[in-house]
Amino acid sequence: KAGVTQTPRYLIKTRGQQVTLSCSPISGHRSVSWYQQTPGQGLQFLFEYFSETQRNKGNFPGRFSGRQFSNSRSEMNVSTLELGDSALYLCASGTGYTEAFFGQGTRLTVV
Amino acid sequence: DAKTTQPPSMDCAEGRAANLPCNHSTISGNEYVYWYRQIHSQGPQYIIHGLKNNETNEMASLIITEDRKSSTLILPHATLRDTAVYYCIVRDNAGNMLTFGGGTRLMVKP
Repeated sequence: KAGVTQTPRYLIKTRGQQVTLSCSPISGHRSVSWYQQTPGQGLQFLFEYFSETQRNKGNFPGRFSGRQFSNSRSEMNVSTLELGDSALYLCASGTGYTEAFFGQGTRLTVV
Repeated sequence: DAKTTQPPSMDCAEGRAANLPCNHSTISGNEYVYWYRQIHSQGPQYIIHGLKNNETNEMASLIITEDRKSSTLILPHATLRDTAVYYCIVRDNAGNMLTFGGGTRLMVKP
């Protein structure tokens, strides 16, 4: 069974640009959640989608958004990038009721 | 805020059991205890979870106290590859929102 796939693995963007990250969950999983990891703040929850609906949302500004498609694949978008958005972005998939499995992450660098 | 408290770091000799404690004194009746670990710059890896009974799988054992206010993750024969940050998380099963604390950095030494 294939694991959680995140693309791209690495990304460099300029301040003010926007970026879209993709996450393909494990087959059969309907929940996809997103996390940001930085050295200063650790792992922080961004949002969770379940069957195309946002079910939970963390404490991040509106520049961070996401969506989930009917095949459960999910994208997150960050608009008007700031230097502080440089981080490892992780997604996790699950049934929505038990353990979640993480991908390897997308490392975003904003310059 | 994370609902768990873990020591920031621990050492363990290779081949010995690693016992990682976690305090979750405010856990509610419908919340599970989950353990994940993260090896440098990789995505967190699910290890084990439990509600009130002790659990064991091929990776580890989870011992939860009778009052459920604390738990211990046991790696029975630690190897160098078990060096990682270990996170203890409490959550209900109504969603996949995980609140990570600082975790315990386990260093397995030869």
